[in-house]
Amino acid sequence: GQSLEQPSEVTAVEGAIVQINCTYQTSGFYGLSWYQQHDGGAPTFLSYNGLDGLEETGRFSSFLSRSDSYGYLLLQELQMKDSASYFCAPMNRDDKIIFGKGTRLHILP
Amino acid sequence: DAGVIQSPRHEVTEMGQEVTLRCKPISGHDYLFWYRQTMMRGLELLIYFNNNVPIDDSGMPEDRFSAKMPNASFSTLKIQPSEPRDSAVYFCASSSGTQQFFGPGTRLTVL
Repeated sequence: GQSLEQPSEVTAVEGAIVQINCTYQTSGFYGLSWYQQHDGGAPTFLSYNGLDGLEETGRFSSFLSRSDSYGYLLLQELQMKDSASYFCAPMNRDDKIIFGKGTRLHILP
Repeated sequence: DAGVIQSPRHEVTEMGQEVTLRCKPISGHDYLFWYRQTMMRGLELLIYFNNNVPIDDSGMPEDRFSAKMPNASFSTLKIQPSEPRDSAVYFCASSSGTQQFFGPGTRLTVL
């Protein structure tokens, strides 16, 4: 079967660092993507990990461990505009992505 | 490029009516996805196409839902008859690789 777990909500302070963890189970796993969605908006692509290790894109980094079926998104120097929902999205070899409910990130001033 | 285009952006209809949602993917993308998003269930994949051919429709809730992709630049998602529980935001996305590009969504309200 397939499953996806990430926290429903996370709260952090502006300027701080936050890590959103994700564990997944999906047949034919190919890679792990992360998407961001602001209220009222559409999901937008943040990062993709096809191999184990860390991928860095500006203030955002994403990590994947295939053997542990685990990944995380790291957001540094948090800004108020980072308040959004973040989706861990495992992809299988048929290019099918599972999204789920995502993690709602609240940022306090 | 204009990105993925969806219409209408908002739709309010009465139970029992037919609803048709439309999507124009990004030119050159060979995958097209239809998603539904609700607070309760999150973002769910309904169906996706590769080169206009349906690949996986296991997420389509029931026979009231149908989707077509007659050509590479157009797809429709139809609900007939609609029910209040179909109220949600419906997203269309397209891709040519690992990154999916989402349209702005159609907010459907069934009264």
